[in-house]
Amino acid sequence: DAKTTQPTSMDCAEGRAANLPCNHSTISGNEYVYWYRQIHSQGPQYIIHGLKNNETNEMASLIITEDRKSSTLILPHATLRDTAVYYCIVRAPYSQGGSEKLVFGKGMKLTVNP
Amino acid sequence: KAGVTQTPRYLIKTRGQQVTLSCSPISGHRSVSWYQQTPGQGLQFLFEYFSETQRNKGNFPGRFSGRQFSNSRSEMNVSTLELGDSALYLCASSSSTGVATGELFFGEGSRLTVL
Repeated sequence: DAKTTQPTSMDCAEGRAANLPCNHSTISGNEYVYWYRQIHSQGPQYIIHGLKNNETNEMASLIITEDRKSSTLILPHATLRDTAVYYCIVRAPYSQGGSEKLVFGKGMKLTVNP
Repeated sequence: KAGVTQTPRYLIKTRGQQVTLSCSPISGHRSVSWYQQTPGQGLQFLFEYFSETQRNKGNFPGRFSGRQFSNSRSEMNVSTLELGDSALYLCASSSSTGVATGELFFGEGSRLTVL
C-alpha cells in the first residue's frame, strides 16, 4: 500500500472550514484514499473515501487532485468536537485476498479552537 | 443498530499472565479485525477474521492469537504478558464479503495495563 504524508498538526477556528492535506505521490491506479479520525480515547471513525472523483458525505468532502498524488479532506464548518487525530490511508480495494487490513500512519492532530 | 462492543473496557494484569479480550461486531458484519495502539507504535494491525477463518495477520509474535465464532463474535488472547503489551486493543468490524470495503467500524477498545 502507498505511503502517505500528513502535517503533524493543524489548528482551525470554530465555524471555519478545515482543510486537511495529504500527500500520496506513490499511489497506484487502483488504490483508494481513505480518511479516518480518532477522537481522544475512542476508536477510529471512518469519514470518507474516494478513488479519483471528488466525494462528499454528511461529514466531509474529499478533493483528490487530477494526478491523484495528493488529496484534501474538508470539514466545512469545524466544531470543537472535530478536534481529533486524522488519518489519511491509501489502499487497494482488494488487499491480500480481500483483507480489510488498514495501515495507519501517525496521522495529523487537528485542534479546533473556540 | 448497536455498534461494535468490546469487553472488558479496562483490565490490569501482571507479567506472565494471559488475557482474553472479546469483541461483538455489528449485526450482520462478518469481518472482524484487531488492532493494537500504543503511544510509541501507533495503530498496528494484529489480525482479521472472516467467517471463522483468519484472513490476514500482522507482524506480532505467536503469543497473540485470535479466533472467530460462528456468530461472528471474536476473541483475542495474549499469553505470557510482557510490559510492552500494555496498550489499547481495538476491534473493528466490516460488512465486507468478497470485496474488502475499507470501511471499518471500531469499538471503544479494551485498555490493558501490564504490571
